[in-house]
Amino acid sequence: QSALTQPASVSGSPGQSITISCTGTSSDVGGYNYVSWYQQHPDKAPKLMIYDVTNRPSGVSNRFSGSKSGNTASLTISGLQAEDEADYYCSSYTTSSTLYVFGTGTKVTVL
Amino acid sequence: EMQLMESGGDLVQPGGSLRLSCAASGFTFSDNYMDWVRQAPGKGLEWVGRIRNKANRYTTEYAASVKGRFSISRDDSKNSLYLQMNSLKTDDTAVYYCAREFYYRFDAWGQGTLVTVSS
Repeated sequence: QSALTQPASVSGSPGQSITISCTGTSSDVGGYNYVSWYQQHPDKAPKLMIYDVTNRPSGVSNRFSGSKSGNTASLTISGLQAEDEADYYCSSYTTSSTLYVFGTGTKVTVL
Repeated sequence: EMQLMESGGDLVQPGGSLRLSCAASGFTFSDNYMDWVRQAPGKGLEWVGRIRNKANRYTTEYAASVKGRFSISRDDSKNSLYLQMNSLKTDDTAVYYCAREFYYRFDAWGQGTLVTVSS
């Protein structure tokens, strides 16, 4: 089971919006609405930001939103802030014996 | 507040064994599926395996990379999760996180424990 494909890095200025893509296959991203997104600051544990493609857990800013089209899911961060600088990983449930597959990770830099 | 805390990480030689523990609090541990996820130094996240709850007979699943070498267990009376790692390889070097799996997402994570496999 290969990792989902994400861009290695995305950057933006404070206040701008950025979008991170996450491309899989019909066996994972395209086959289920079980895509989630995680934020990870350096030397910290991942934090759930989006689940079931579009849903935000309680306490997560509404500047974070998710969507999906076909085999590609996306995370959009609006009104970019310095605290958003971190690594972001997508994840999807999959039909393979490896139940969950993660993305390759995207480093978000706030210019 | 949900809390998870891993322990047991260490330096171990290739071919050796190690057992990690994860202590849970702040939620009804026995009701939940629990997973292990790892992250090699400077790399991305990799799902390792999962154990279901008692209602689902504590069944387990593993990633192909660890199947047959790693074993997940739990003790609901102690709110604890375990990862027994045997026949360790240098590629198993990583920070190991325990996580609560809740309806196809991981909504609580521990701080991680570092396992280094090296001679």
